[in-house]
Amino acid sequence: DAKTTQPPSMDCAEGRAANLPCNHSTISGNEYVYWYRQIHSQGPQYIIHGLKNNETNEMASLIITEDRKSSTLILPHATLRDTAVYYCIVRVPSTGANSKLTFGKGITLSVRP
Amino acid sequence: GAVVSQHPSWVICKSGTSVKIECRSLDFQATTMFWYRQFPKQSLMLMATSNEGSKATYEQGVEKDKFLINHASLTLSTLTVTSAHPEDSSFYICSARVPAEGYEQYFGPGTRLTVT
Repeated sequence: DAKTTQPPSMDCAEGRAANLPCNHSTISGNEYVYWYRQIHSQGPQYIIHGLKNNETNEMASLIITEDRKSSTLILPHATLRDTAVYYCIVRVPSTGANSKLTFGKGITLSVRP
Repeated sequence: GAVVSQHPSWVICKSGTSVKIECRSLDFQATTMFWYRQFPKQSLMLMATSNEGSKATYEQGVEKDKFLINHASLTLSTLTVTSAHPEDSSFYICSARVPAEGYEQYFGPGTRLTVT
């Protein structure tokens, strides 16, 4: 069973920030929050991950609440090419069974012109 | 990030035949690769974990005799769908774990299999 819950869909206007929420209330202390996205008919693409501090890279920012029970992925200036299914996944970055990437249903982001 | 390729990108085969899909890590060595399957409008489902030089570990409900996985080198894993049937038509995606990058997983572009 997926350990995260996400709304099924959301949309935003091109050029605006897209804030994608994720709940992971049962996250363990050694589990990281990962975000991937899948553009239609392509393989998933890694976006960002974090443990407890906020993270930023060239693609997005990840904001994790202090209690680590939820997080938000922020695409600062959404473009039409950001239209995709975004997956929030918790895992331990290791070789063990709890390191598997288990995909839930994700959230479908639609960026409108 | 690391690059993973798959071949072919799409394949059409007749019912009863076998199809082989290749997954390669292009710029790194992957001791562990994963095979996923995705049906239309559904999420990715992990089929099996492939470790170089050893037998693959299959997820519950996945027939190991139907989906043959071989990971004979550090840069190549193959998935063979044997005696394919129309219900095996799906999007097959591989990924590779990169120990040097904190055990991150990078995904291939996927292979669309259509069984007629």
